[in-house]
Amino acid sequence: ETGVTQSPTHLIKTRGQQVTLRCSSQSGHNTVSWYQQALGQGPQFIFQYYREEENGRGNFPPRFSGLQFPNYSSELNVNALELDDSALYLCASSFVTGNTEAFFGQGTRLTVV
Amino acid sequence: GESVGLHLPTLSVQEGDNSIINCAYSNSASDYFIWYKQESGKGPQFIIDIRSNMDKRQGQRVTVLLNKTVKHLSLQIAATQPGDSAVYFCAERGDNFNKFYFGSGTKLNVKP
Repeated sequence: ETGVTQSPTHLIKTRGQQVTLRCSSQSGHNTVSWYQQALGQGPQFIFQYYREEENGRGNFPPRFSGLQFPNYSSELNVNALELDDSALYLCASSFVTGNTEAFFGQGTRLTVV
Repeated sequence: GESVGLHLPTLSVQEGDNSIINCAYSNSASDYFIWYKQESGKGPQFIIDIRSNMDKRQGQRVTVLLNKTVKHLSLQIAATQPGDSAVYFCAERGDNFNKFYFGSGTKLNVKP
């Protein structure tokens, strides 16, 4: 167990809807990153939050947004859902300094129909 | 973004044999690499890491080799066990804030 928890574990949404996914980071970690993992693919970096601000974004449109709270937990919001948004969404927390691994949660499986 | 790729999508080995999983990366400035293991329905799990100032690092039954000249990583698993069956990803760090870029993974099948 990594100490990173995500909720919900599974979710089904309709195209055009909005969704919010949640992540509690491991104790002591101050950085949270979100990844999208399509079936049969490696995780793709969406964005990272550090000190409650977005700290870098991958190749994802603005309808993917997020928040980090003072307790370092985080949310991923996706607006105007598309069928291609169906994927496993992973949250990873780490401590920002030095060469440290990122600890992943178990993910949220989002299905858009 | 970064580009991290793998040479083989699937690797089948006999239980007890050694496994070697390879990975190519594109950013010569990357300074930190991690191998992750992902079992079905779970998030990636840390296996071993290596810094760019090292060529080799050993863990329990696992060894990572880094060849910066050809931008290549490999993961060696000794005495492969059925519990090693999973998808393995190499990931390179994009910056000092621990953003990681993953390849598409290699599925390891261990035959009893």
